[in-house]
Amino acid sequence: AQSVTQLDSHVSVSEGTPVLLRCNYSSSYSPSLFWYVQHPNKGLQLLLKYTSAATLVKGINGFEAEFKKSETSFHLTKPSAHMSDAAEYFCVVSFYNQGGKLIFGQGTELSVKP
Amino acid sequence: EAQVTQNPRYLITVTGKKLTVTCSQNMNHEYMSWYRQDPGLGLRQIYYSINVEVTDKGDVPEGYKVSRKEKRNFPLILESPSPNQTSLYFCASSSLGLGQNEQFFGPGTRLTVL
Repeated sequence: AQSVTQLDSHVSVSEGTPVLLRCNYSSSYSPSLFWYVQHPNKGLQLLLKYTSAATLVKGINGFEAEFKKSETSFHLTKPSAHMSDAAEYFCVVSFYNQGGKLIFGQGTELSVKP
Repeated sequence: EAQVTQNPRYLITVTGKKLTVTCSQNMNHEYMSWYRQDPGLGLRQIYYSINVEVTDKGDVPEGYKVSRKEKRNFPLILESPSPNQTSLYFCASSSLGLGQNEQFFGPGTRLTVL
């Protein structure tokens, strides 16, 4: 079965320290992978995506993620957290054989302390 | 401005009273989808449509109907709402591809069924 798991439901960091949000997927096929961010009372916004090109993907607002096929992981990182990064983050998988269907992880809430 | 719009943004209703949530996109996208978001479950797909007059069930279609009479519109219909349909609903659209394309999300509709 195809699935995606976000390993932490909540992550708390201090402003200026690194951010790591972890995501693992399971699939028999080559997936497309996305990270979306949802700020409070807002819709979802795409942070970055991997679609079988470079394994290190850079996104908006200084975020990046590395696709590791051997580990079936797609962890999201940022060198230095800002207060404005506080939000919920979703790791999302899409499979070419399902016409664009997205499978969402459960979400990781990121808190940033001053 | 490219966008997905949903109406209403907030709705409180009573059990059994039919309601429709509208969704419209101005990007000429073929693919449109409805999701519901519940705490700890991420987003789950309700229905999707790959083009006009072509719709199919997602993971949680029970209690919902959709129609796609025009390319830009994809309304979600609850014929007889029940309290377990209280949720946050998102409409999304994308161009068709092998699951590689970004989905654009509407701002969400918060529905409460009493």
